[in-house]
Amino acid sequence: QQPVQSPQAVILREGEDAVINCSSSKALYSVHWYRQKHGEAPVFLMILLKGGEQKGHDKISASFNEKKQQSSLYLTASQLSYSGTYFCGILGGYQKVTFGTGTKLQVIP
Amino acid sequence: GAVVSQHPSWVICKSGTSVKIECRSLDFQATTMFWYRQFPKQSLMLMATSNEGSKATYEQGVEKDKFLINHASLTLSTLTVTSAHPEDSSFYICSARDEQAGGYNEQFFGPGTRLTVL
Repeated sequence: QQPVQSPQAVILREGEDAVINCSSSKALYSVHWYRQKHGEAPVFLMILLKGGEQKGHDKISASFNEKKQQSSLYLTASQLSYSGTYFCGILGGYQKVTFGTGTKLQVIP
Repeated sequence: GAVVSQHPSWVICKSGTSVKIECRSLDFQATTMFWYRQFPKQSLMLMATSNEGSKATYEQGVEKDKFLINHASLTLSTLTVTSAHPEDSSFYICSARDEQAGGYNEQFFGPGTRLTVL
């Protein structure tokens, strides 16, 4: 029941764009996106709510397709600081978040 | 944003000893906190939900007698790994939700505790 993310890993050059997908087998009500640097805790990026409401990062956008039970994170004009592992999180009962399988992103000069 | 702290940031212990990890919400109150475990190159797996003033609820497969959780106040939850063994070595992370922040259910994570059991 863990959300599946794709791709598992991606390497970008600075300035390139990337899309990270998150697919759930359960109905989605809200999707969270986090970025984790090696050895550190995850850092919140964005929340998408059913109905289209978003709260998050200025330079990162995301979409939420309730029907397909999918969410996608869009990183444009990537910077070196974007490197890390990205996780989607699906909000379930009792406010619990189930994290996706993760996507490792590496941005190179 | 809200700040969550964890202590210690890392700990090395001998097999058979118990280790206590603290999670504090510094500038907000949290009736609910969450404990996660993350093995290398894997995702975060929820272990348990810590509830202030009541018993924690554990995820399937997590031994409640081994991972003792106490949420004694609105700003502090502790996780005690009892009789730790090498297979308990992992990165333990707590999170809390700022319940005053509205309906976004945004979770704030502590910096994590790296546990190594020899």
